[in-house]
Amino acid sequence: DQQVKQNSPSLSVQEGRISILNCDYTNSMFDYFLWYKKYPAEGPTFLISISSIKDKNEDGRFTVFLNKSAKHLSLHIVPSQPGDSAVYFCAAIGGAQKLVFGQGTRLTINP
Amino acid sequence: DTAVSQTPKYLVTQMGNDKSIKCEQNLGHDTMYWYKQDSKKFLKIMFSYNNKELIINETVPNRFSPKSPDKAHLNLHINSLELGDSAVYFCASPPPPGTSGIQETQYFGPGTRLLVL
Repeated sequence: DQQVKQNSPSLSVQEGRISILNCDYTNSMFDYFLWYKKYPAEGPTFLISISSIKDKNEDGRFTVFLNKSAKHLSLHIVPSQPGDSAVYFCAAIGGAQKLVFGQGTRLTINP
Repeated sequence: DTAVSQTPKYLVTQMGNDKSIKCEQNLGHDTMYWYKQDSKKFLKIMFSYNNKELIINETVPNRFSPKSPDKAHLNLHINSLELGDSAVYFCASPPPPGTSGIQETQYFGPGTRLLVL
């Protein structure tokens, strides 16, 4: 019973274009959502987050969108750069739940 | 200076053995976690300790025993290792409430890749 799902295991994008990573969740008690980025042989590092009272949060090239009615969030990276190639984890927290992670999407930026 | 460090990075062992993974954080935080990234790549909480006391135990088999000698260290001892224990184990530590960091964020260690043969 996975409460946070990232249905695309991988995504390949041309450098300079927009990368869109998607995440779906099932628990309506989640009220805070985070994206983590993970390079090989390293632990995940926090990237950007959004509270459920907002529908958008922007930080430089990274924007997270939240659609509560659809229980869906997405991470947009524009323009995509080679250094963005990594695994991206979506995570959620709220209610009685501690941080719950998705299974990650491997993003590859092609030069 | 690594904020959260784990040793060893790789561990290959036989079924039935007992092994330990160590974690240290130099962030001055009170809380530490162990996560397991399973074969399906989900990161799942195993344990949480706050100031050396167990807070969360997510129905992990009692072959897994965390030990926190002080709030900067959280070690994971695994008895009678099984094939299904093969995974990547991450230690993590969030900033405390009321600090400038977002409490929900976690500072992760680099992971320990355990392979049980």
